[in-house]
Amino acid sequence: DAGVTQSPTHLIKTRGQQVTLRCSPKSGHDTVSWYQQALGQGPQFIFQYYEEEERQRGNFPDRFSGHQFPNYSSELNVNALLLGDSALYLCASSRTGSEAFFGQGTRLTVV
Amino acid sequence: QKEVEQDPGPLSVPEGAIVSLNCTYSNSAFQYFMWYRQYSRKGPELLMYTYSSGNKEDGRFTAQVDKSSKYISLFIRDSQPSDSATYLCAMRGNTNAGKSTFGDGTTLTVKP
Repeated sequence: DAGVTQSPTHLIKTRGQQVTLRCSPKSGHDTVSWYQQALGQGPQFIFQYYEEEERQRGNFPDRFSGHQFPNYSSELNVNALLLGDSALYLCASSRTGSEAFFGQGTRLTVV
Repeated sequence: QKEVEQDPGPLSVPEGAIVSLNCTYSNSAFQYFMWYRQYSRKGPELLMYTYSSGNKEDGRFTAQVDKSSKYISLFIRDSQPSDSATYLCAMRGNTNAGKSTFGDGTTLTVKP
C-alpha cells in the first residue's frame, strides 16, 4: 500500500504565478482534504473533496481551488501567488469510519 | 483566540523520561481527538485517536481526554531519542474525518 502520495515534493514559484499540486489518496479512501501548514504552525484546513465535489471549505480565499477526479485523486490550485502562500501543503485521505492519513506534503516557496 | 491551544514547548527530556503533552480547546462540539507525530519537513503521522472522554493506551503511548475540562493529554513512557519530533493535537466534531482543527504543535527532543 503506497499510502497518500503528493507531487511535486518541492516547488519554487514567483509572486503572481499559478501553481497546481497533486494528491493520490490511500487505497480504499474516497475523501481528500487539503491543508496549509506555515512554518511553526499547525495545519490549517483549506477544503475537502468527496464524490468530485467540494464538501467543506475553511477560511481561505477563492484563489484556492481544487478538483477531484473519478479515481479519487485530487488537485489543489492556487492563483495569483503571494509571498504568504509559502508553506507546506498537505493532502489527507480518509473514508467513512477511518481517520485521515497524511501525505508527505509539497513545500511551496513563493519568491 | 484559537479553538485549540497547545503547550508550545520546546520540550527537552533525558532518555527514559515520561513525557506529558497537553492541549486545551474551546469548541464543545469536538468529539474525536487525535495526536499526530511530525518529523521535520514530513507529513503528520497519526499516533492515536480517541472518541469522547476517557483513556486509550497503545504501547508506550497513552491518550487522555477530559471533555468536562476541555483538556487532552498524550503521555509517552520510557521516551526514546526516536520520539524526538513535533507532536500535534487535532480534534473534530461528529462529522467526516479529514476536517480537523489542529494545535500548533510541541517540539520534543529526547536526549540519549
